[in-house]
Amino acid sequence: GAGVSQSPSNKVTEKGKDVELRCDPISGHTALYWYRQSLGQGLEFLIYFQGNSAPDKSGLPSDRFSAERTGGSVSTLTIQRTQQEDSAVYLCASSLKKYNSPLHFGNGTRLTVT
Amino acid sequence: GESVGLHLPTLSVQEGDNSIINCAYSNSASDYFIWYKQESGKGPQFIIDIRSNMDKRQGQRVTVLLNKTVKHLSLQIAATQPGDSAVYFCAENMSQGAQKLVFGQGTRLTINP
Repeated sequence: GAGVSQSPSNKVTEKGKDVELRCDPISGHTALYWYRQSLGQGLEFLIYFQGNSAPDKSGLPSDRFSAERTGGSVSTLTIQRTQQEDSAVYLCASSLKKYNSPLHFGNGTRLTVT
Repeated sequence: GESVGLHLPTLSVQEGDNSIINCAYSNSASDYFIWYKQESGKGPQFIIDIRSNMDKRQGQRVTVLLNKTVKHLSLQIAATQPGDSAVYFCAENMSQGAQKLVFGQGTRLTINP
């Protein structure tokens, strides 16, 4: 079966532009997460969707960051007016609804803001 | 070979030896812990997990040990192979009723031929 799919795999953008990153979770997984990983660092939680509940946005670093999940499946992370410090790998993960189920990650989108 | 997580982020072992990667977690209320392996250019790959009502769990060539008294987690890899070379992250679930994993900074494991 297919794993978590993210696109694009690489994105280079100019400072000030908006970018959209896409995530297709594993079929049947109701929970979806976005994390950010800066070079050589651990993963930083951004946002979490669980079914039809309101998303947990507590990790979003600024109001330039937003995410939505349409139809309980595909998710899009949008960064407006990108800054150089936004350069990182953005990782999406999904899991079953069951509490304490492991997260399964995609290979990420490497974002470079020039 | 043995590492202490944040304080020694790299670990080199000879192929065929056993390795131990350590992690100190932060929240005594965390009830779920996971080890991930991340190879260059890829997302983290699930290795093994353990719930707080256990102190040991074994998988294929891997064992996770949990010591809640000192908030310590370790990953043991037996008979290491070149394909085990990667960065290893521990993660804890600090959110009761939700699933927000907090990750450590990782340990880079290098297997020498």
